Amino acid sequence: DAGVIQSPRHEVTEMGQEVTLRCKPISGHNSLFWYRQTMMRGLELLIYFNNNVPIDDSGMPEDRFSAKMPNASFSTLKIQPSEPRDSAVYFCASSLTGMGTDTQYFGPGTRLTVL
Amino acid sequence: TQLLEQSPQFLSIQEGENLTVYCNSSSVFSSLQWYRQEPGEGPVLLVTVVTGGEVKKLKRLTFQFGDARKDSSLHITAAQPGDTGLYLCAGDDTGNQFYFGTGTSLTVIP
Repeated sequence: DAGVIQSPRHEVTEMGQEVTLRCKPISGHNSLFWYRQTMMRGLELLIYFNNNVPIDDSGMPEDRFSAKMPNASFSTLKIQPSEPRDSAVYFCASSLTGMGTDTQYFGPGTRLTVL
Repeated sequence: TQLLEQSPQFLSIQEGENLTVYCNSSSVFSSLQWYRQEPGEGPVLLVTVVTGGEVKKLKRLTFQFGDARKDSSLHITAAQPGDTGLYLCAGDDTGNQFYFGTGTSLTVIP
């Protein structure tokens, strides 16, 4: 199994540009999570999908952030326009059912730098 | 406001020493997990505890869930350099919200 795949691994962009992060979950997993990790705020849950439907997006910082899951094997997190404070490592994770006792499998992350 | 507070935030110890990391909350959790994250990688699950008072052992690591299901601890015996990493607790509260703790960065010096 290839695990959770994220692309790109690194992204450097300028303030105001649109950024799109991509994630392919583990095949057969029904839940997908997007997280942001910074030194100051730790690992924060941004949004959670179950069966491709957004269940909880209360962690999405503001309207500049949007996430989609058009099918069971692909999700995107978009930031438009990007700002320097969006610089962080963004992780995608997937799990079988999304329940709290389930194992979440994390991707390697995308390190985003907004200049 | 962080729902799950971990302590200490940073810990640097010599190889062979024992250590305990704490994860505390004022909220009750249905279950609690511990993850370890190495630099440049995503967190990896170590254990899940679901019953108040539950103790689980994973080789030199011992995990305990508090009786009231509001706290947890991770004890490492005879730490090895390979134990170096960021340890994160994560919990599923009774409202079905999932949170990660503030993290404990452990460095084991050979």
